[in-house]
Amino acid sequence: DTEVTQTPKHLVMGMTNKKSLKCEQHMGHRAMYWYKQKAKKPPELMFVYSYEKLSINESVPSRFSPECPNSSLLNLHLHALQPEDSALYLCASSRGQDYGYTFGSGTRLTVV
Amino acid sequence: QKEVEQNSGPLSVPEGAIASLNCTYSDRGSQSFFWYRQYSGKSPELIMSIYSNGDKEDGRFTAQLNKASQYVSLLIRDSQPSDSATYLCAVNTYFGNEKLTFGTGTRLTIIP
Repeated sequence: DTEVTQTPKHLVMGMTNKKSLKCEQHMGHRAMYWYKQKAKKPPELMFVYSYEKLSINESVPSRFSPECPNSSLLNLHLHALQPEDSALYLCASSRGQDYGYTFGSGTRLTVV
Repeated sequence: QKEVEQNSGPLSVPEGAIASLNCTYSDRGSQSFFWYRQYSGKSPELIMSIYSNGDKEDGRFTAQLNKASQYVSLLIRDSQPSDSATYLCAVNTYFGNEKLTFGTGTRLTIIP
């Protein structure tokens, strides 16, 4: 299995909703990442988990809450989002920084 | 100064010609360098990695690295319309926390 699986593929949520994005990999990768990508912009790092521990939080607002239940799973909990949070949310995993990342297909999030 | 810089394009190349994509980076301590291809609406896909000075070839793709000049390039030979995409340069940087930093991407269009 050489894939990173993200669900759902599309999500529309209101500003008062609570939702979660899910990410799963079975490649034994030790690091997992959440990125946010706006149209015509590069991916922007949000969080890094290394060996199931949060190692980098790029000053992301608290309305985004990551969780790593085990070495294969990564969640991103969303609460009270703003319309400007609408973007493609990408999960990635890697054996380590020097090996490049494998990206999932992303969740297209629209906040209304 | 941006950490990783690329010309945003668009870069138009006739089918069958060589497409040349360039990237410069600011962290002299960077050790690993990557090229990702991203089709519109899709997630980034790793196509090349390079760690040592010189050239690395994989099929129609050649990555070139010059650490003294802090310069990475990607050559695509015999360009095909299916190569039309945004190409993201990514560099392992060590500003504060170790992380993969993406350039803004170059949009490449292959003209049939």
